[in-house]
Amino acid sequence: DVKVTQSSRYLVKRTGEKVFLECVQDMDHENMFWYRQDPGLGLRLIYFSYDVKMKEKGDIPEGYSVSREKKERFSLILESASTNQTSMYLCASSPLLGGGYGYTFGSGTRLTVV
Amino acid sequence: QQQVKQSPQSLIVQKGGISIINCAYENTAFDYFPWYQQFPGKGPALLIAIRPDVSEKKEGRFTISFNKSAKQFSLHIMDSQPGDSATYFCAASIGGGSQGNLIFGKGTKLSVKP
Repeated sequence: DVKVTQSSRYLVKRTGEKVFLECVQDMDHENMFWYRQDPGLGLRLIYFSYDVKMKEKGDIPEGYSVSREKKERFSLILESASTNQTSMYLCASSPLLGGGYGYTFGSGTRLTVV
Repeated sequence: QQQVKQSPQSLIVQKGGISIINCAYENTAFDYFPWYQQFPGKGPALLIAIRPDVSEKKEGRFTISFNKSAKQFSLHIMDSQPGDSATYFCAASIGGGSQGNLIFGKGTKLSVKP
C-alpha cells in the first residue's frame, strides 16, 4: 500500500522554538506539498517541491521554510514557532503537479505552539 | 480568479437522503476537477474526478455533475449513509491535472444522521 508518512501525529512546542516536520513518501513521486488545515479555511498550500532541491512558495509561506535533499523526503521548518502556527499540517505527494492521478496525503501532524 | 468557491460549509442529511455539495470557479483554464474525502484523523483522499469533456461521472453512489457554461460542478451522494460523514473538498487544476497546483475549496463537513 502506497504511503505518505508524517513523523509525528501530535507535537507541542514552545514559542520561539525551531520546529521540524518530516514527511516521507514511498511512491517515487516527483512532487511533494505541505498544507495547513484550519477550521473554516480549508487546505492552504505552504510550499511545494517538484524535484529534489527545488521548492516553490505556496499561498502562505511566511514563517516557514522547506528542505528536500532526497526525493522521498520533504521537511517543513518553522524557524521561530508562534502561536498562530498552531494548526494541522498535512503533507502530500503526487506524480503530477496538478493532481491528475491524485494527491496522496499523510495523516497529518497536529502542532500546538504554547 | 484562482479560487474555487465551495458551498455549503456544513450539511446535515438523513440516512438514505441525497447530499449535494456545490463548487464554482472563475478560471476557464481549469480542466480537471477532483473531489477529496477526509475522515476525522486522516488526510484527504481522492474520491472521484471529472474532466470537462463529459457532463457527468458516476462511481457507485457518488456522482459529479459538471456545467461548463456556468463554471460550476457538484458532488451528489445518493442514499447517503452514516459512513459517508466526512469533510469533502472540491478542487481544480489545469493541463488535465498535470500542471499548476490543485486549488482546493474550503471544504464541506457532511453529517449523515441515522
